Amino acid sequence: QQQVRQSPQSLTVWEGETAILNCSYENSAFDYFPWYQQFPGEGPALLIAIRSVSDKKEDGRFTIFFNKREKKLSLHITDSQPGDSATYFCAASQGGSAKLIFGEGTKLTVSS
Amino acid sequence: AQTIHQWPVAEIKAVGSPLSLGCTIKGKSSPNLYWYWQATGGTLQQLFYSITVGQVESVVQLNLSASRPKDDQFILSTEKLLLSHSGFYLCAWSLGWGGAQDTQYFGPGTRLLVL
Repeated sequence: QQQVRQSPQSLTVWEGETAILNCSYENSAFDYFPWYQQFPGEGPALLIAIRSVSDKKEDGRFTIFFNKREKKLSLHITDSQPGDSATYFCAASQGGSAKLIFGEGTKLTVSS
Repeated sequence: AQTIHQWPVAEIKAVGSPLSLGCTIKGKSSPNLYWYWQATGGTLQQLFYSITVGQVESVVQLNLSASRPKDDQFILSTEKLLLSHSGFYLCAWSLGWGGAQDTQYFGPGTRLLVL
């Protein structure tokens, strides 16, 4: 049972466009949602994270929109750059738990 | 600044042979430590976590074991490798859990190929 789902599996956008990556989850007890960026052959790096008490988190060109009622969130990357080409993972955890559940990832390609 | 080091960078091993992977965290006292496995092109699956020296909790059973012999060291091992053990092994740390301490930071990983 996949508790965290991501879509699309892969996404291609042109340089300068906004990329939208989607994530949904099943466990309503999840309250912390980090997004990680991973380049081939490297470990994932934390990009941005949001807690369930917020509905939006912004950091430069990266914004998370969170809908607690629908158990959905999305990562918006504005003014996409070729250097943003990577796989992006949505993850979820429950406060007080050591377990971090990852989605399947979205592979983003930014074409110039 | 905290640094996380994993060794070796890559391994090619035979089925049935033993394995030992290591992880060291510098610059952070008493971190929570984690091991993850990632199949090529796949998601990350948490294998073990440890909150203190000598204590390790298993999350999934993959014929692997983990130990924490020192505060800053986490070891992943098995006596007998399977083909299914191939993949990317990642070590991570966090300050704790709850609030900003939830955030897990990953190391560079070890690539394992079992033949």
